[in-house]
Amino acid sequence: DAGITQSPRHKVTETGTPVTLRCHQTENHRYMYWYRQDPGHGLRLIHYSYGVKDTDKGEVSDGYSVSRSKTEDFLLTLESATSSQTSVYFCAISGRERSYEQYFGPGTRLTVT
Amino acid sequence: DQQVKQNSPSLSVQEGRISILNCDYTNSMFDYFLWYKKYPAEGPTFLISISSIKDKNEDGRFTVFLNKSAKHLSLHIVPSQPGDSAVYFCAASLLSNDYKLSFGAGTTVTVRA
Repeated sequence: DAGITQSPRHKVTETGTPVTLRCHQTENHRYMYWYRQDPGHGLRLIHYSYGVKDTDKGEVSDGYSVSRSKTEDFLLTLESATSSQTSVYFCAISGRERSYEQYFGPGTRLTVT
Repeated sequence: DQQVKQNSPSLSVQEGRISILNCDYTNSMFDYFLWYKKYPAEGPTFLISISSIKDKNEDGRFTVFLNKSAKHLSLHIVPSQPGDSAVYFCAASLLSNDYKLSFGAGTTVTVRA
């Protein structure tokens, strides 16, 4: 299994508060991705990174920002959480030999009240 | 606009029989197609993939078929086992697009004893 951890695993927060989710990998992979999973939508890409300090937007990036200051860590920040951001968030890394394969972390369940 | 679609939200199959999951896509430029399996409260796990230049790939009980002219792929699970009960996601990758994956909405498979 790819060494990917996410923290926290569960979080409840109030509308308007900032939230940061952390993804940590031990595989030294270049590409990292943040997805959200919602019923009826599958997984949708929020942001991704193709190297330290190199990031780009996905299809549902509004209201989210990311940072990657080290190869192993990829942070997702909700600057001011809204109820529509209640979701399960997954981090993924691309495969070393087959970059088109992605390997996922265990997820963070975020509830915004 | 969703480029990958799974039109069957659920599938129920008897243990020992074949499970067939279907997936349609719209972008003929996709290079690879992948299937992921997801249990509740866990991250998706990679199951099997197929290159766009192939029409079949087999791995144990799992076979993926690709029909490029119809922009359709399917996953066959034979024989189905209780541990196969999960949500299955179809995904497609465009290598020139930073290996980003486009996911379908998922199909929930229930294997009945």
